[in-house]
Amino acid sequence: SQTIHQWPATLVQPVGSPLSLECTVEGTSNPNLYWYRQAAGRGLQLLFYSVGIGQISSEVPQNLSASRPQDRQFILSSKKLLLSDSGFYLCAWRSQGTGELFFGEGSRLTVL
Amino acid sequence: QQPVQSPQAVILREGEDAVINCSSSKALYSVHWYRQKHGEAPVFLMILLKGGEQKGHDKISASFNEKKQQSSLYLTASQLSYSGTYFCGPEPAAAGNKLTFGGGTRVLVKP
Repeated sequence: SQTIHQWPATLVQPVGSPLSLECTVEGTSNPNLYWYRQAAGRGLQLLFYSVGIGQISSEVPQNLSASRPQDRQFILSSKKLLLSDSGFYLCAWRSQGTGELFFGEGSRLTVL
Repeated sequence: QQPVQSPQAVILREGEDAVINCSSSKALYSVHWYRQKHGEAPVFLMILLKGGEQKGHDKISASFNEKKQQSSLYLTASQLSYSGTYFCGPEPAAAGNKLTFGGGTRVLVKP
């Protein structure tokens, strides 16, 4: 069966520090992958999505970037964090069969 | 552009019904619905494809009117477990795989 892993689960970072969040999917090949951010009490904001290795569509410019170095690995990065980057980051993969999204458990980021 | 959900919040007593609406400014291929419990990741409820079909998940059902670019989620005879935030995710016909979500509707079901 397919599973999705995200890490770290929680992190506290100072403003201006770098960020790397990692997501891996098991049990499926060539999945569509997504990064969402959820600010406290707010909706899900689509940040990036990828339909294949090296193919990244960006919905949010600013100071975040994403990479897909391997088929089932999706990485969210920042060189310098802003206070506004705080939030709950969710990685998801999409089933080719049913179309539904399966979310990871999320990474909760606090920028101080 | 994000889809628009209404209402933003609703409080129900157990057994009551509620409707959550979702509208998009774009022609749609499908609409997804998810529920998120506090502190957890969203969980898939259902997906509706073009064709105006209705679907059900327990006593939660949804409809999709692609002409109006709208979808509605119906909570019938609500249970305590229905509490959470509901998100709709319309998938544009012209941009498949780009799944954006509305701001969510917070549902609280009280005994």
